[in-house]
Amino acid sequence: AQTVTQSQPEMSVQEAETVTLSCTYDTSESDYYLFWYKQPPSRQMILVIRQEAYKQQNATENRFSVNFQKAAKSFSLKISDSQLGDAAMYFCAYRRRTGNQFYFGTGTSLTVIP
Amino acid sequence: DVKVTQSSRYLVKRTGEKVFLECVQDMDHENMFWYRQDPGLGLRLIYFSYDVKMKEKGDIPEGYSVSREKKERFSLILESASTNQTSMYLCASSSRQFQAFFGQGTRLTVV
Repeated sequence: AQTVTQSQPEMSVQEAETVTLSCTYDTSESDYYLFWYKQPPSRQMILVIRQEAYKQQNATENRFSVNFQKAAKSFSLKISDSQLGDAAMYFCAYRRRTGNQFYFGTGTSLTVIP
Repeated sequence: DVKVTQSSRYLVKRTGEKVFLECVQDMDHENMFWYRQDPGLGLRLIYFSYDVKMKEKGDIPEGYSVSREKKERFSLILESASTNQTSMYLCASSSRQFQAFFGQGTRLTVV
């Protein structure tokens, strides 16, 4: 069974600084997707960034980037120039390319300190 | 923009009541999901559906059932609500590829 582990229940970062959220996963598949989702307080869960396992290049979306280490089964999210609006719960998720199900980690609560 | 709409943001029900949570998506997605979100436990899959009238149990289906009579609508049913079903419920949809899109969530309190 696929499992996704986020070992940091809570993190904090100073505004304008950089923070990295960790995620590891367990799978025997070679072709899959990885995602980071953001859930602001009392608001809808939205996709932050997506990585396809067959792509060696790390995905980047503006201030958000990932460090995808396929052999180590690691998928960390780096947030640069942190803003107050980045404060949220962040979930890492996995999906087999040919599967229907998504597997989520337990989340990391990020606080941004002004 | 993809829209996934859940019928209620907040719901308060009494123990033993039959509860319906409705979810509608407008992107013709094949897959729809119901998750339960509790602090420290992340998102746990209750049921998902990969086609009309098709459903599969997730990790925590006990006490729940689902219905998908139309492609755009996926309902979660609590046959007899209990206090341990007080939680945040999230609906999501996806195509056969790529990411899931989420509704705004329903915070259900069973008293």
